[in-house]
Amino acid sequence: KAGVTQTPRYLIKTRGQQVTLSCSPISGHRSVSWYQQTPGQGLQFLFEYFSETQRNKGNFPGRFSGRQFSNSRSEMNVSTLELGDSALYLCASSLKGGSQETQYFGPGTRLLVL
Amino acid sequence: GENVEQHPSTLSVQEGDSAVIKCTYSDSASNYFPWYKQELGKRPQLIIDIRSNVGEKKDQRIAVTLNKTAKHFSLHITETQPEDSAVYFCAASRWLPGSARQLTFGSGTQLTVLP
Repeated sequence: KAGVTQTPRYLIKTRGQQVTLSCSPISGHRSVSWYQQTPGQGLQFLFEYFSETQRNKGNFPGRFSGRQFSNSRSEMNVSTLELGDSALYLCASSLKGGSQETQYFGPGTRLLVL
Repeated sequence: GENVEQHPSTLSVQEGDSAVIKCTYSDSASNYFPWYKQELGKRPQLIIDIRSNVGEKKDQRIAVTLNKTAKHFSLHITETQPEDSAVYFCAASRWLPGSARQLTFGSGTQLTVLP
């Protein structure tokens, strides 16, 4: 099976702009989680989607949003970008999002906000 | 919520020596503990995991131990090789009300294996 894919791989934006990132899970996986990775804060959970519904959300401002489509692909959106949003954004998929399921990560989208 | 602490933050070992990374968690409801390896510029990849009904699991040179009473788990790498150099993350997972899963990561350990 093909692994988790993310597009684009790299993005450069300026403050105030918005950005949309895309994640395609492993075929058959219905749970998609998003993480922000920065050198200072490590891997921080953004949100998780299952069957087009957001089931869980981390401690991020409302500028961060997401959605999931019927084919399980997911997008996350960041509006009014700030310099501190520069990070590697990772998505991970699992079959149903069960607490003992393995999550498989995508390669990430590296976002640079200038 | 769950809090996962990971130590040490950096670890250097000589090739062939063993490396041990330790994590503690706060929520006794956590029932799944994966370890991920992330090489520079690459995605985190699962290297081993352990479920709460098991005390130890081994896969070739890698082993994980879990002490539920003390709420800590450890990664052991024996006969280290230069290609083991990477950042290692531990994580703890539990159910939330509403059937959602909470996966909390440790802060990571930069392992360097010196030739």
